[in-house]
Amino acid sequence: GENVEQHPSTLSVQEGDSAVIKCTYSDSASNYFPWYKQELGKRPQLIIDIRSNVGEKKDQRIAVTLNKTAKHFSLHITETQPEDSAVYFCAASNSGGSNYKLTFGKGTLLTVNP
Amino acid sequence: SAVISQKPSRDICQRGTSLTIQCQVDSQVTMMFWYRQQPGQSLTLIATANQGSEATYESGFVIDKFPISRPNLTFSTLTVSNMSPEDSSIYLCSAGGETQYFGPGTRLLVL
Repeated sequence: GENVEQHPSTLSVQEGDSAVIKCTYSDSASNYFPWYKQELGKRPQLIIDIRSNVGEKKDQRIAVTLNKTAKHFSLHITETQPEDSAVYFCAASNSGGSNYKLTFGKGTLLTVNP
Repeated sequence: SAVISQKPSRDICQRGTSLTIQCQVDSQVTMMFWYRQQPGQSLTLIATANQGSEATYESGFVIDKFPISRPNLTFSTLTVSNMSPEDSSIYLCSAGGETQYFGPGTRLLVL
């Protein structure tokens, strides 16, 4: 089955700096890669996703890049703000054949210091 | 995006008892899933709730312990049976297709 590795497990940055979280996946058939943000005591919230036919996707201060050859994808947050502090999870799935099962990485605790 | 609710939001239960968690979606969805999340940990998929047929369980999870129902395209239940303290966790449902959205979770403490 799919295996998703996520690094780093913790990341501390100063407000205004950039943050980068990296994930690798094992199943070359995976073709959908979402990122979730989970604040303490809250549900995971989808913040951005990318499909395998795209190399990069941006949404304001957030961007995701995908390298299918190397089987890794990354989340980039620019101009970080204290409200970006949360746990971020990457995930991967193979959405072919109506199987949308997500495999999650172990998460990254991002702390943005004012 | 789908709006997903769960009931109960939290519960404290005695060992040996069972608890049924409900998940309601505001629109018809293709897929519904149940996850477990231990404090400070990632999300572990328990099973896929299939509409009109038996759920598909992941390795390490069995129907006798976690029976699941999905009577229609907007509703599912997860029962945690014969609970022990090791079942204390957050249980989350998700719904959608390729893109999934999560319910708020049910925080379960087993004494």
